[in-house]
Amino acid sequence: GAVVSQHPSWVICKSGTSVKIECRSLDFQATTMFWYRQFPKQSLMLMATSNEGSKATYEQGVEKDKFLINHASLTLSTLTVTSAHPEDSSFYICSARDVRASSEQYFGPGTRLTVT
Amino acid sequence: GENVEQHPSTLSVQEGDSAVIKCTYSDSASNYFPWYKQELGKGPQLIIDIRSNVGEKKDQRIAVTLNKTAKHFSLHITETQPEDSAVYFCAASIQGGSEKLVFGKGTKLTVNP
Repeated sequence: GAVVSQHPSWVICKSGTSVKIECRSLDFQATTMFWYRQFPKQSLMLMATSNEGSKATYEQGVEKDKFLINHASLTLSTLTVTSAHPEDSSFYICSARDVRASSEQYFGPGTRLTVT
Repeated sequence: GENVEQHPSTLSVQEGDSAVIKCTYSDSASNYFPWYKQELGKGPQLIIDIRSNVGEKKDQRIAVTLNKTAKHFSLHITETQPEDSAVYFCAASIQGGSEKLVFGKGTKLTVNP
């Protein structure tokens, strides 16, 4: 149980294009999903909190117009990196919180984004 | 805001030995403390967690202890195996509805056969 998937697992795109990453909770419903960014050999940095049916809440310093988040259903959240640049290259990881559990977050396998 | 310190940053042990990783947190309102294991190129995997109303929790070779007064919690792995080699992250919850997590900087554990 508590499986979270991400798609794609890796993507290469050209500078200036947009990329969409999907995060799905496969066997549970998640009213809240979180998007993290992780640079090599570093910890996870929370980018935004995604709430089903409402606007995402972004952490300080994260551009909401650049990282568009949509939480369309209880099992799906998407992150779109708009007008990507090489500095956006990173490992993006989502997590989902089970509506039945108060605090546990389950992570997806991550998406490696490389912008050329 | 909440701040989580994690030590050591790297830890090397011989197979069969125990490994201990320690974390401290700053916000006394935090009440949930998970530990995650992350293998190279993969997402973090929840391995054990503890809530503030409990002092210790054990799951086979893994245990977590919590000292609320001192605001620190520790991960204990006994009888380590090479497959325990990974990066381990501690985290503490931020209160306020969404229950965001603040992560430590991670500990790279290497278990030598």
